[in-house]
Amino acid sequence: QVQLRESGPGLLKPSETLSLTCTVSGGSVNSNSYYWKWIRQPPGKRPEWIGYVHYSGKTNYNPSLKSRLTMSIDTSRNWFSLRLSSVTAADTAVYYCARASRIGTTCPLDYWGQGALVTVSS
Amino acid sequence: AIQVTQSPPSLSASVGDRVTFTCRASQDIGNDLAWYQQKPGKAPKLLIYSASTLQSGVPSRFSGSGSGTDFTLTITSLQPEDFATYYCLQDYDYPCAFGQGTKLE
Repeated sequence: QVQLRESGPGLLKPSETLSLTCTVSGGSVNSNSYYWKWIRQPPGKRPEWIGYVHYSGKTNYNPSLKSRLTMSIDTSRNWFSLRLSSVTAADTAVYYCARASRIGTTCPLDYWGQGALVTVSS
Repeated sequence: AIQVTQSPPSLSASVGDRVTFTCRASQDIGNDLAWYQQKPGKAPKLLIYSASTLQSGVPSRFSGSGSGTDFTLTITSLQPEDFATYYCLQDYDYPCAFGQGTKLE
C-alpha cells in the first residue's frame, strides 16, 4: 500500500522559507507513471494546486506561486520536497503531498498524505 | 486559466436519498475531470476520474457523467458515511483547478 507523509516545520514567521518533504513508502518515486504533486488548503477554503515534480526532475508550478516556489525529487531517498520563499499569512494552510497517476490524458490524485498544517504568524 | 464552478454550495439530504452535484468548466476540458470527497480533518479522497471512471474500491452508488464543460456526480441511496464536502478538479490544463466544493449535510 502506497503511503505518503509530509514533514516540516509547522510555524513560520513572515518572510521565512517554508520547506516540506514528502516521504513515499510502499512505492517508488522513480517511475515515469506518476507525477508527485503538492496541494494546499487554507482553513475553510477549497484546495489549491501548487505544482508537481516528475522523477525526471521536470516541474510545473502554479503561476500564482511560481516566483517563490522550488520543487525537487530525490529518487535515492524516495522523497520529494517543496520550498516556498517569503511566506506571508496568506500561505497559512494545510499542505498535502499526493501521487498523480498518468491515465490517458488525465492524472488523478490517487494517494494523499495526511496533510501538514503550516501557520505563518509573527 | 481554466476555472471550475460547483453548484450548489451546500445540499441537504437524508439517508437513502439520491443526490446530484454539478461542476461547470469555463472552457471545454474534454473528460479531464475528477471528483473528490473530503471529510473534516482528512485529505480528499478520489472517487471518480476521467469524468465517469469509478476509482478502485469506491462503492458503486457513486457515478459520474458529462464531458466538455458540464459534469455531474450522483450518489444513489445515500449512506451515513457519505456526508462530506465534494470537490471537482480539472486537470485538462495547468494550473489544475478545484471547484469551491459542495457540502452535503
